[in-house]
Amino acid sequence: DIQMTQSPSTLSASVGDSVTITCRASQNINDWLAWYQQKPGKAPKLLIYKASSVESGVPSRFSGSGSGTEFTLTISSLQPDDFATYYCQQYEFYYTFGQGTKLEIK
Amino acid sequence: EVQLAESGGGLVQPGGSLRLSCAASGFTFSGYWMSWVRQAPGKGLEWLANVKQDGSKQYYLESLKGRFTISRDNARKSLYLQMNSLRAEDTAIYYCARGVGVKSIYFDSWGQGSLVTVSS
Repeated sequence: DIQMTQSPSTLSASVGDSVTITCRASQNINDWLAWYQQKPGKAPKLLIYKASSVESGVPSRFSGSGSGTEFTLTISSLQPDDFATYYCQQYEFYYTFGQGTKLEIK
Repeated sequence: EVQLAESGGGLVQPGGSLRLSCAASGFTFSGYWMSWVRQAPGKGLEWLANVKQDGSKQYYLESLKGRFTISRDNARKSLYLQMNSLRAEDTAIYYCARGVGVKSIYFDSWGQGSLVTVSS
């Protein structure tokens, strides 16, 4: 099984800040990585696929990078709507999600 | 607009069975892989199963050990999850999700979820 590890588990930031979330895979997944945003009581929303491709309709302040085993999600100039939980997911071999990163308002 | 709507959740006793449904609209259902993903209360996301466009192939999370069966009816634009021998640890919100991609698929659209509670 491919394990996905996100860090940090919780992140406190202010509106206007830039933040980065890291996701590490237990083995090479090339660039078969997606990022999702989830708000309380809602379904996950796709943000990024293939490590760095931004889903249509997602604001340009969201960006992804990485390949192999290490990946990052960066949100520049945080907006109030961005405070949520973020999950990475590998789809190289079946599907595994990271444990999530909760982005809180400082 | 792509829409996915799960139904069929509820309270079931341990050892019982439940069948979830997911009604699709706004896209050509028969053209996409479909999946089920669940989320236990306060926990992360866990992929359970997916099914090919024509229903000919299904893949499952190994730990389900044959208790769950995914299926689809393209004429009805519906996805199903038959869950048997339910356990307390199966308590979760169950989401259906549409798979997109060429070589490998990811999930671009999700339903609102259906809550399954396994308890006596």
